[in-house]
Amino acid sequence: AQRVTQPEKLLSVFKGAPVELKCNYSYSGSPELFWYVQYSRQRLQLLLRHISRESIKGFTADLNKGETSFHLKKPFAQEEDSAMYYCALPSGNTPLVFGKGTRLSVIA
Amino acid sequence: SQTIHQWPATLVQPVGSPLSLECTVEGTSNPNLYWYRQAAGRGLQLLFYSVGIGQISSEVPQNLSASRPQDRQFILSSKKLLLSDSGFYLCAWSEGAANTGELFFGEGSRLTVL
Repeated sequence: AQRVTQPEKLLSVFKGAPVELKCNYSYSGSPELFWYVQYSRQRLQLLLRHISRESIKGFTADLNKGETSFHLKKPFAQEEDSAMYYCALPSGNTPLVFGKGTRLSVIA
Repeated sequence: SQTIHQWPATLVQPVGSPLSLECTVEGTSNPNLYWYRQAAGRGLQLLFYSVGIGQISSEVPQNLSASRPQDRQFILSSKKLLLSDSGFYLCAWSEGAANTGELFFGEGSRLTVL
């Protein structure tokens, strides 16, 4: 069965430091992967998807099939990046399977 | 543009009482609809999803049920709430025909069972 693992519940970094939120997956086939974000008092929303290969708010994520990872990275963290981040993977014909989430706290 | 609304935003209910959370989507037709529960340390758990009126798939056997009486309406219910039903419930929709994989979430309903 498809599974998404986010090993860190909480990640604290200083403003201006690099950020890497880890995501590992198990999937038989070519996966599509997503990162969703939930800022304080806002709705959960899509941040980026690997298929579009774009950078959103300075974040990028590269699919590494060898390591079955889709880590989310940003070179210089900002305070406004503090939020809950979820990695997600479609599971066949059923809806997205989400990881348990990582709370990012950027310290000024 | 498409919008999604769910209510109530906050609900406090005694154990054994019934539950009804409602979700409606506007500005699209034949969406896929979902109920997720968000719990600290447990992430987002898919509860139910629906690809059409009257079609409900349950992902987790539990005390809850879902119904889709209309194309853009999705209801989460329980006949008798348990303490373990407390949590933050999220309704979401996605395109039915052209599935891009993107989900659009509502603002959530926080349920506290006492």
